[in-house]
Amino acid sequence: SQQGEEDPQALSIQEGENATMNCSYKTSINNLQWYRQNSGRGLVHLILIRSNEREKHSGRLRVTLDTSKKSSSLLITASRAADTASYFCATRDTGRRALTFGSGTRLQVQP
Amino acid sequence: EAEVAQSPRYKITEKSQAVAFWCDPISGHATLYWYRQILGQGPELLVQFQDESVVDDSQLPKDRFSAERLKGVDSTLKIQPAELGDSAMYLCASSPKTSGDTGELFFGEGSRLTVL
Repeated sequence: SQQGEEDPQALSIQEGENATMNCSYKTSINNLQWYRQNSGRGLVHLILIRSNEREKHSGRLRVTLDTSKKSSSLLITASRAADTASYFCATRDTGRRALTFGSGTRLQVQP
Repeated sequence: EAEVAQSPRYKITEKSQAVAFWCDPISGHATLYWYRQILGQGPELLVQFQDESVVDDSQLPKDRFSAERLKGVDSTLKIQPAELGDSAMYLCASSPKTSGDTGELFFGEGSRLTVL
C-alpha cells in the first residue's frame, strides 16, 4: 500500500518557471524525503526533512512540512529541461524502518 | 562513486517460468530492500533485510516470491511461477546501518520484468 498521495499527478511547465509538487500522508512520521526518478532508471535521493522541521533548502529545492496537515511540498525554482523526471515523496513511519513512497508527480519541463 | 548493482536490467519471460534478480548493495551497507514498482506508480516494499535477517516481508507474496541474503551482502529475489501481473520494475536499495533515522536509500538502476 502507498502512504502518500501526490498532487498533481502530472505537471508541464516552461524552462525558467517554478514547479511545485505536493504530498499528503496518513500516519505519524519520523521524517519525509523526496526522490527523483528519470524514466526507466532508479530513484535518487534529493532532500530529507525531519518531523520537527518546517522548511529546508538545498540548491534550487525548497521543501516544507506541515505535520498538523500531514502534508509536504517540494518547490523547484528556475526549472531546467534536465529537471524532467518523476518526483516521489517517501515517509519513514514511526515504528517502521522502511520508506513508504507516494504515487509520484511526473514533471515535464519544456525547453 | 559506490553504486548498488542490479542484474539483469531487462528480463522477458513467459508466464509460469521462473525468474531471478540479483542485487549487490554498496559495500558496508547492512540494510537491503527490494521494492516493486508498477508502471506509473510509486515503489512498494517487498522485503527488507538487516544483514542476513529478514526484517519485514509482510508484503512479499510468499506463494511465488522468495528472497535471500545468505552472507549478508548480495541478495537474490526469485519469482516462481511468474504471472502476467508481475510485470514491473524491481528495485534494490541499500542503506548504512549507522544512518539512524535518516533513512536515505541508495537505489540501483532496477530490473525491468515483462511477463508474456
